[in-house]
Amino acid sequence: EVQLVESGGGLVKPGGSLRLSCAASGFTFTNAWMNWVRQAPGKGLEWVGRIRTKADGGTTAYAAPVKGRFIISTDDSKNTLFLEMNSLKTEDTGVYYCSAGPSWGQGTLVTVSS
Amino acid sequence: QAVVTQEPSLTVSPGGTVTLTCGSSTGAVTSGHYPFWFQQKPGQAPRTLIYDTTNKHSWTPARFSGSLLGGKAALTLSGAQPEDEAEYYCLLSYSDARVFGGGTKLTVL
Repeated sequence: EVQLVESGGGLVKPGGSLRLSCAASGFTFTNAWMNWVRQAPGKGLEWVGRIRTKADGGTTAYAAPVKGRFIISTDDSKNTLFLEMNSLKTEDTGVYYCSAGPSWGQGTLVTVSS
Repeated sequence: QAVVTQEPSLTVSPGGTVTLTCGSSTGAVTSGHYPFWFQQKPGQAPRTLIYDTTNKHSWTPARFSGSLLGGKAALTLSGAQPEDEAEYYCLLSYSDARVFGGGTKLTVL
């Protein structure tokens, strides 16, 4: 059974940093393109970015609002996906989900507030 | 960045049929946009219903189907059930970027 478990969310001040993790199991992690998606309170889904497998170049792509501030990476030895978030803004507040293929985690809440 | 548009809300009667659409500001939606459809109920994570325009997952109820219709991606629900009341999102791919639509709130009433 595919499982994706996000962690690392919490309260952070504007301008601060946070690193989210997504622990994956039940599938071959190194074969999966991984995505981060977020959802602001009461709002719709927003694609944040994705990372390709190393076999496909390992490259990343980001949505315009987070480009230059967020970094996606993986630790293939631990089957874990990361989202490093820097220079956080209040508008980055929301639930952050990781996804792999058709599977989604349950999300982790990030609150950016002073 | 492209804008993806969906109907903000739709209502369907139990047992009825409804079609949700997904348009692109860049022009016609094609199979090359690899349309996805997701269902999200309050307090839950999204669930993938359709991928690559028409393909279903093992958990996708047979009453849901995906297609291209009039230059848009479409999700058709035939024989609506009360448990289908939810928010539905489409996702389109543009080269390296992906963009979600704003979502359609589907009411079964």
